[in-house]
Amino acid sequence: LAKTTQPISMDSYEGQEVNITCSHNNIATNDYITWYQQFPSQGPRFIIQGYKTKVTNEVASLFIPADRKSSTLSLPRVSLSDTAVYYCLVRTDSWGKLQFGAGTQVVVTP
Amino acid sequence: EAGVTQFPSHSVIEKGQTVTLRCDPISGHDNLYWYRRVMGKEIKFLLHFVKESKQDESGMPNNRFLAERTGGTYSTLKVQPAELEDSGVYFCASSPGSLGTPNPWNTEAFFGQGTRLTVV
Repeated sequence: LAKTTQPISMDSYEGQEVNITCSHNNIATNDYITWYQQFPSQGPRFIIQGYKTKVTNEVASLFIPADRKSSTLSLPRVSLSDTAVYYCLVRTDSWGKLQFGAGTQVVVTP
Repeated sequence: EAGVTQFPSHSVIEKGQTVTLRCDPISGHDNLYWYRRVMGKEIKFLLHFVKESKQDESGMPNNRFLAERTGGTYSTLKVQPAELEDSGVYFCASSPGSLGTPNPWNTEAFFGQGTRLTVV
């Protein structure tokens, strides 16, 4: 499984855009990039997944450059409720295990 | 639609006792996973069921841990006997699909709230 590296923490103010960049230099051709969010005392929750270029949903956008060695999760106009840990994962197959790293603790303040 | 449910939410047991955690996946999900986070560490994979069969149990720490999935529905994770280092939060997750049906974009895993296990 490809190893991922992301910032340990990021602080932001309400209304700002938060961009979290994840490095995955050893990503394989068939791997997908997936992001999960976790609030305290809850299980991780799927946010977004992509293979290349840009993916957008109602929660976030995911930018993946052509070489796919990194990806950036973009959270537009964050609110206090976006305070959570965000995990970048690389999935080798559709049904296999998820390998969690330390994640990025995002703290949003007023 | 009900999500993944885990029971109990909290459990405090003494070292040497037995504890059984239960997970009810989302109805119809073939894949069921167990993960755990011990204090200060990352979330680690334990095992993966496809229906009632163990697809991958490479993350099971030792033979004190026994996972079952009766009839491909709910799953139990038994720890016997429990040790202090087993304390942590145990998460269950489920996802749809099967190995025989490639569907790479439908790969979201739905997690339960977790069971916090404390061994004293």
